[in-house]
Amino acid sequence: AQSVSQHNHHVILSEAASLELGCNYSYGGTVNLFWYVQYPGQHLQLLLKYFSGDPLVKGIKGFEAEFIKSKFSFNLRKPSVQWSDTAEYFCAVCFPSSGGSYIPTFGRGTSLIVHP
Amino acid sequence: NAGVTQTPKFRVLKTGQSMTLLCAQDMNHEYMYWYRQDPGMGLRLIHYSVGEGTTAKGEVPDGYNVSRLKKQNFLLGLESAAPSQTSVYFCASSYSDRAVNYGYTFGSGTRLTVV
Repeated sequence: AQSVSQHNHHVILSEAASLELGCNYSYGGTVNLFWYVQYPGQHLQLLLKYFSGDPLVKGIKGFEAEFIKSKFSFNLRKPSVQWSDTAEYFCAVCFPSSGGSYIPTFGRGTSLIVHP
Repeated sequence: NAGVTQTPKFRVLKTGQSMTLLCAQDMNHEYMYWYRQDPGMGLRLIHYSVGEGTTAKGEVPDGYNVSRLKKQNFLLGLESAAPSQTSVYFCASSYSDRAVNYGYTFGSGTRLTVV
């Protein structure tokens, strides 16, 4: 069965530290890839997405992600985090459904706390 | 520019009661979805719709029904509420063609407590 795994459930960093959050999926075919962020008390917002082309994708707020097809991974990175990056981060992967539509499956999320 | 609007934002139900959550989008998106979010479980898909008049089951459909009578609205019904349905419910919509889902726009969520 297709699945999405986020390895880090809780991450605690100090401001200016570098961030890398892992996301792996299990499916050998074409997928669409996303990272979403959920700030405390808010709904999910799209950070970045990948469909095809350059495997290094730049998103909002200085985030980027790299698609490595051979590793079935789509890791999220930020060179220097800020206190305002404290949030929950979700990886989502669109797999084709039985009807051919691409329906997202979400990982369980990573809670990031950034200390000032 | 409203995007995706969910009503109500909060609700407390007694076990066995029924209710309907409404999701409305003004972006002319074909695809709409209902998710529930529980601590440590991420978002789990309840039902989804790829167009007006069509619905399909997601990962956790039991105890819920949905309807998509109009393209802009997607209703989630709880037939007989149970404490296990205490959760935060998110509606989302997206534009998608056959090969690409272009990403979600989420509503602000409905916090439901069943006592």
